[in-house]
Amino acid sequence: DAKTTQPTSMDCAEGRAANLPCNHSTISGNEYVYWYRQIHSQGPQYIIHGLKNNETNEMASLIITEDRKSSTLILPHATLRDTAVYYCIVSHASGGSYIPTFGRGTSLIVHP
Amino acid sequence: GAVVSQHPSRVICKSGTSVKIECRSLDFQATTMFWYRQFPKKSLMLMATSNEGSKATYEQGVEKDKFLINHASLTLSTLTVTSAHPEDSSFYICSAVDSVSYNEQFFGPGTRLTVL
Repeated sequence: DAKTTQPTSMDCAEGRAANLPCNHSTISGNEYVYWYRQIHSQGPQYIIHGLKNNETNEMASLIITEDRKSSTLILPHATLRDTAVYYCIVSHASGGSYIPTFGRGTSLIVHP
Repeated sequence: GAVVSQHPSRVICKSGTSVKIECRSLDFQATTMFWYRQFPKKSLMLMATSNEGSKATYEQGVEKDKFLINHASLTLSTLTVTSAHPEDSSFYICSAVDSVSYNEQFFGPGTRLTVL
């Protein structure tokens, strides 16, 4: 699976948009971009995923560059409860399921 | 979204004993489940891939005789830490892939194991 590079940490003011970048320059054509987050001492929570088109759901938006070598997760109105470690993963389906490999992620701190 | 449960959420055991952790997909069938381990302030490390009805596939460096995995049904996988040592103390997390929607993977809440 392609490796990803994310900033170690970021901070954001409550109510503002949080833009979390991810570089995946070695992504292959059949690999998806997934985002998860992990709040302290809990299991990871799925946020969103995409292949090449931008995606939006109730939690976030995912912007993937045209060359697919990077993406940005956008939390439009960050709250204190969004403080977590955010993981960007690229992976493809293998035998019917994909095997996510977690990097270090970005520790996002949302402050009042 | 789909729900994955783990039991127990916390366990404390003595050195040398064995501990079983259950991972259940509550409202979907999962032919594949994954087991991860996470040490403090570290990322999740994949330990093994558990496939229903067949032997688990272990990642390099993970002892299959120490971490026994059984995936006997489409909704249950178990991880048994045998002859536990203090260095096995960690946060163990399972995940399950929906057999119908391969792109979504759901994680359990994790099990905190402390070996005294």
